[in-house]
Amino acid sequence: QVQLQESGPGLVKPSQTLSLTCTVSGGSISSGGYYWSWIRQHPGKGLEWIGYIYYSGSTYYNPSLKSRVAISIDTSKHQFSLKLNSVTAADTAVYYCARVVSSTLHFDYWGQGTLVTVSS
Amino acid sequence: QSALTQPPSASGSPGQSVTISCTGTSSDVGRYNYVSWYQQHPGKAPKVMIYEVSKRPSGVPDRFSGSKSGNTAFLTVSGLQAEDEADYYCSAYGGSNNDNYAFGTGTKVTVL
Repeated sequence: QVQLQESGPGLVKPSQTLSLTCTVSGGSISSGGYYWSWIRQHPGKGLEWIGYIYYSGSTYYNPSLKSRVAISIDTSKHQFSLKLNSVTAADTAVYYCARVVSSTLHFDYWGQGTLVTVSS
Repeated sequence: QSALTQPPSASGSPGQSVTISCTGTSSDVGRYNYVSWYQQHPGKAPKVMIYEVSKRPSGVPDRFSGSKSGNTAFLTVSGLQAEDEADYYCSAYGGSNNDNYAFGTGTKVTVL
């Protein structure tokens, strides 16, 4: 059973960089067939796709966040990471990592989510 | 790629059916069959219920079904049960030139 677990600071100051890591267990992060994605959900709101990465390092980002986002992957650690710079209160959200099946383009496994609050 | 449009709420009595719509454009829902639906209970991560418009993952009850017509996709929950009360989100792929994904605005399903 594939499991994903987000980790990182729950509080980030405005203008700083939000950094989260997703650790994958129960399946290989370096096998083809999947993308590794970040999604966020503002409090009481809907889901917003941030971007995803392939094991080769190819990345795809939401245009609205593209200038501030970087997703990377470390296959040796079975992890992929999110960095979002120049954060504001509008970036306060629950951040989820998820696996995307590349042949069907749906999110089949999700982490439990982690709340990140941007505040001084 | 803009958010897909869903009705904010839907409801039905136990045993009844409810259908949720998800309206996109000819560049996403209308162009590709990569439409999926997610169920989210309060404080929990989303769970996929339907993928590729109408396919059910293993373990999802056959009370859940999906379809598509033009630029609009539909999720139908038949034989409503109390545990079906949740938020439901659609998602659609919009192609690499559209930078990939959009989610729907979400629909709160209430079992009366």
